[in-house]
Amino acid sequence: DSGVTQTPKHLITATGQRVTLRCSPRSGDLSVYWYQQSLDQGLQFLIQYYNGEERAKGNILERFSAQQFPDLHSELNLSSLELGDSALYFCASSVDSYQEQFFGPGTRLTVL
Amino acid sequence: EDQVTQSPEALRLQEGESSSLNCSYTVSGLRGLFWYRQDPGKGPEFLFTLYSAGEEKEKERLKATLTKKESFLHITAPKPEDSATYLCAVQASGYNKLIFGAGTRLAVHP
Repeated sequence: DSGVTQTPKHLITATGQRVTLRCSPRSGDLSVYWYQQSLDQGLQFLIQYYNGEERAKGNILERFSAQQFPDLHSELNLSSLELGDSALYFCASSVDSYQEQFFGPGTRLTVL
Repeated sequence: EDQVTQSPEALRLQEGESSSLNCSYTVSGLRGLFWYRQDPGKGPEFLFTLYSAGEEKEKERLKATLTKKESFLHITAPKPEDSATYLCAVQASGYNKLIFGAGTRLAVHP
């Protein structure tokens, strides 16, 4: 158990809908990262927050957004969902931007 | 462009048959190289961090080494419970994200 929690474990929704994925980092970690893992793309970095502020952005679509709250939990919002958004979404946390990242169990999103 | 390539894509071993997984990387200034283990449907589990060429880390049957262009994950006398996908990732200087390779799927048979 990495200490990173993610909810829900599974999400099944329809195209065009909007969903919110939630992540709680390990105790003491200020940095939260979101990654997408699909069969054909592997693990792809989406976005990083550090102590409530956006720190780095990767291949994140404009339909996706994220935020980190004062209690350091983070949410990833996915809107106007398409079939191709079906994937595993992982949250990771670290003490700062330069230390190893610890991953949560993931949320499996299925868009029908 | 920063890039990570892992080989082989898949590896089948008999229990006790030692082998090595390769991770070659191209990055503009390496801040760190990370090894993770991932079981199907689960999140990657952190194994090692390597920061500079010549560095080695060990954990049970696993040993990770680093050169200026590649890293190896040596598995000594593997057991069936070592079966998993092993992921290599690099962090480049000036960037916070991890760039992952596609992974090596390891199957250890009794």
